[in-house]
Amino acid sequence: EPEVTQTPSHQVTQMGQEVILRCVPISNHLYFYWYRQILGQKVEFLVSFYNNEISEKSEIFDDQFSVERPDGSNFTLKIRSTKLEDSAMYFCASSEDRNTEAFFGQGTRLTVV
Amino acid sequence: SQQGEEDPQALSIQEGENATMNCSYKTSINNLQWYRQNSGRGLVHLILIRSNEREKHSGRLRVTLDTSKKSSSLLITASRAADTASYFCATSSYYNQGGKLIFGQGTELSVKP
Repeated sequence: EPEVTQTPSHQVTQMGQEVILRCVPISNHLYFYWYRQILGQKVEFLVSFYNNEISEKSEIFDDQFSVERPDGSNFTLKIRSTKLEDSAMYFCASSEDRNTEAFFGQGTRLTVV
Repeated sequence: SQQGEEDPQALSIQEGENATMNCSYKTSINNLQWYRQNSGRGLVHLILIRSNEREKHSGRLRVTLDTSKKSSSLLITASRAADTASYFCATSSYYNQGGKLIFGQGTELSVKP
């Protein structure tokens, strides 16, 4: 069964460093997303991406965040200068269309120290 | 703002019993999706119900949607210990263009053997 894969599963980084989280969405899906979940809190939308551009982004998704689809299969989230409060589980998701099921990856646990 | 909120926050039942979780939201939706999350793991898609549907079944899962009350319920019949997880509803706004989902706080279900 097709699935969304994310790497790495866990990343530890020092405050101020740049991190890139990687995702391979399901191959025939056209919409891609990043969400995050701070420990003990609910899942929060960050950004959606369609046709090689951002469709929608939340207030959380400020200038330190960027997304890219560098080739036909990968979808990345870059955090330019990490802060302690960026520590969270980051989920990538994809869907065929904006109103169909969204399938999530297993997540990358980011720890900023 | 549109928001899915579940109740109860926590539910503890015996194996074999039914579990019912409720979700309320505030604005017009296109669809509502239910997810399961095992502790510290990824989000598993369970079921999607569209705004023009009232009930949907998938195996032991039954989801209802009442758009007049802006609420949905997830029923798990004949629960098993393996159903122990957090369950989230997520709504897709009628107005959103990018496929964004708004998640609720979740219901923590514990099924005791």
